[in-house]
Amino acid sequence: EADIYQTPRYLVIGTGKKITLECSQTMGHDKMYWYQQDPGMELHLIHYSYGVNSTEKGDLSSESTVSRIRTEHFPLTLESARPSHTSQYLCASSAAGPPNQPQHFGDGTRLSIL
Amino acid sequence: DQQVKQNSPSLSVQEGRISILNCDYTNSMFDYFLWYKKYPAEGPTFLISISSIKDKNEDGRFTVFLNKSAKHLSLHIVPSQPGDSAVYFCAASGYGGATNKLIFGTGTLLAVQP
Repeated sequence: EADIYQTPRYLVIGTGKKITLECSQTMGHDKMYWYQQDPGMELHLIHYSYGVNSTEKGDLSSESTVSRIRTEHFPLTLESARPSHTSQYLCASSAAGPPNQPQHFGDGTRLSIL
Repeated sequence: DQQVKQNSPSLSVQEGRISILNCDYTNSMFDYFLWYKKYPAEGPTFLISISSIKDKNEDGRFTVFLNKSAKHLSLHIVPSQPGDSAVYFCAASGYGGATNKLIFGTGTLLAVQP
């Protein structure tokens, strides 16, 4: 059973607010990822990390930022939320090794910016 | 341009029959293919994978077939059960460069009717 947790599960907030989406995993995985998904669409990778102090931007341009100070924690921050940021955000982790290592996902944060 | 395509947004199957979910890809550098299942309000969960050196991988009721020449893979579920009703995502990855990450399709919603 995968142990990866995201909080909050749902967030409705006004434009201009600073938001931090939390993601923690207890599996000791080196690799962590953030995806953005809109209804009926594919998951788009927006950030990833291959270890502590390592972060990279994904394929989909995002105004969010991430940090990886501890192995188990990979928070995503939006400095000033806008309605265009409304989406579902999914965090995932995987063990080190080849790209076919299955990624374990959290249950996501559904974000609505008014 | 989408590199992984799931052209059927939905599929309805009777309980006990076979479910066949299809996925096409365009990038010949992909080496690994994975299927994920997603229930509403939950994150995707890993189901089964296949390496490009194989053409079939089986796990219980789930079998994935890979046709490299056609750049096509399919997931067979036999027999289908109502609990299999979910969105199924196909994903692909490969070593190095732009393919060293998971690329997801848009998903197929499977409904298994009792």
